[in-house]
Amino acid sequence: GAVVSQHPSWVICKSGTSVKIECRSLDFQATTMFWYRQFPKQSLMLMATSNEGSKATYEQGVEKDKFLINHASLTLSTLTVTSAHPEDSSFYICSASPPRDRAYGYTFGSGTRLTVV
Amino acid sequence: KQEVTQIPAALSVPEGENLVLNCSFTDSAIYNLQWFRQDPGKGLTSLLLIQSSQREQTSGRLNASLDKSSGRSTLYIAASQPGDSATYLCAVLNTGRRALTFGSGTRLQVQP
Repeated sequence: GAVVSQHPSWVICKSGTSVKIECRSLDFQATTMFWYRQFPKQSLMLMATSNEGSKATYEQGVEKDKFLINHASLTLSTLTVTSAHPEDSSFYICSASPPRDRAYGYTFGSGTRLTVV
Repeated sequence: KQEVTQIPAALSVPEGENLVLNCSFTDSAIYNLQWFRQDPGKGLTSLLLIQSSQREQTSGRLNASLDKSSGRSTLYIAASQPGDSATYLCAVLNTGRRALTFGSGTRLQVQP
């Protein structure tokens, strides 16, 4: 149980275009999901907390207008990188925890490698 | 603000060795601590979860310990194998927070 699916696994886009990344909880409902960014050989940095039915909470320094988060259902959160630029190229990973029981820890998606050319 | 540090940053060992990865954290008010494995270009696989009230957890050749008062955790890998080669990440969940705080990871290479 507690499987998180993330798509696409990789994407290449042209500078100035937008890219949407999906994060789905397959066998549980997730009222909260998290979006992380990871640069090569570095650790995961939290970008934002996605809350079902309400606005996302962004970490300091993360542009909310560039990284749009939508959590319209209990099983789906999306991250849209708007007007992407080469410096947005990175590895993006989402995670979720089954509600009610953080004792089982957090489950992560397989990540999305974004390359902006 | 919680800070998580992992030592060493990289480790290369011959197959069969027992090894210890270290994780330290500055704020001891944690709810739990989780060890993950990450293969290159992949997501995270949860290895072990230790609740704040626990001292250790074991899964197969892996054993993780937690000393909350000193802000330390160790991941012990017995009889290492080439398939254990990956980056190992330590993450803590503070009480009152919903998101994990990650360490920078230890890149492990097990030589056949």
